Amino acid sequence: DGGITQSPKYLFRKEGQNVTLSCEQNLNHDAMYWYRQDPGQGLRLIYYSQIVNDFQKGDIAEGYSVSREKKESFPLTVTSAQKNPTAFYLCASSISNTEAFFGQGTRLTVV
Amino acid sequence: RKEVEQDPGPFNVPEGATVAFNCTYSNSASQSFFWYRQDCRKEPKLLMSVYSSGNEDGRFTAQLNRASQYISLLIRDSKLSDSATYLCVVNVGFQKLVFGTGTRLLVSP
Repeated sequence: DGGITQSPKYLFRKEGQNVTLSCEQNLNHDAMYWYRQDPGQGLRLIYYSQIVNDFQKGDIAEGYSVSREKKESFPLTVTSAQKNPTAFYLCASSISNTEAFFGQGTRLTVV
Repeated sequence: RKEVEQDPGPFNVPEGATVAFNCTYSNSASQSFFWYRQDCRKEPKLLMSVYSSGNEDGRFTAQLNRASQYISLLIRDSKLSDSATYLCVVNVGFQKLVFGTGTRLLVSP
């Protein structure tokens, strides 16, 4: 089945650790996105990528890093520089100027 | 000014009511527009795309007003199952998709 897969579903991080969230799609979409959602809040754009080997910062990129080495994959690393990383992270993909499809999300908690 | 703005609500309506949400956007060069629905602790799912001519899907009608830079969503004959958060989404250019903060709808019996 075609779709977008995020893993893991739940992730616990100790303070000071880097963690990487996985996002894979087999929809042959060029564009991919990472959003962060805090309880009761909307989605805020972290990074997005229009094509392979290219990505742009969104509105809240500080403390995060990404790579886009393959069309299918857009992993997000939450670094120790992100001071408040506990949130719901959503990955999405789209083709040009059309709707985005989302993965089921990863809930990251700092312990 | 935020790129995309929505009234957070909540909108509390009885079953069978008609309810409308508006969303404004700041970039006049924005290229495409969507409404998504998000249930609690779930990922957003596309409800409908919004076209200049307006479009309808059953009880849902979406409209775009480029001159005033807003889009709207009308829900007729509200059902209990319509209770959710409705997110306005704008492609502001170069594939950048910006979400509004969402409008929460509560439909009561």
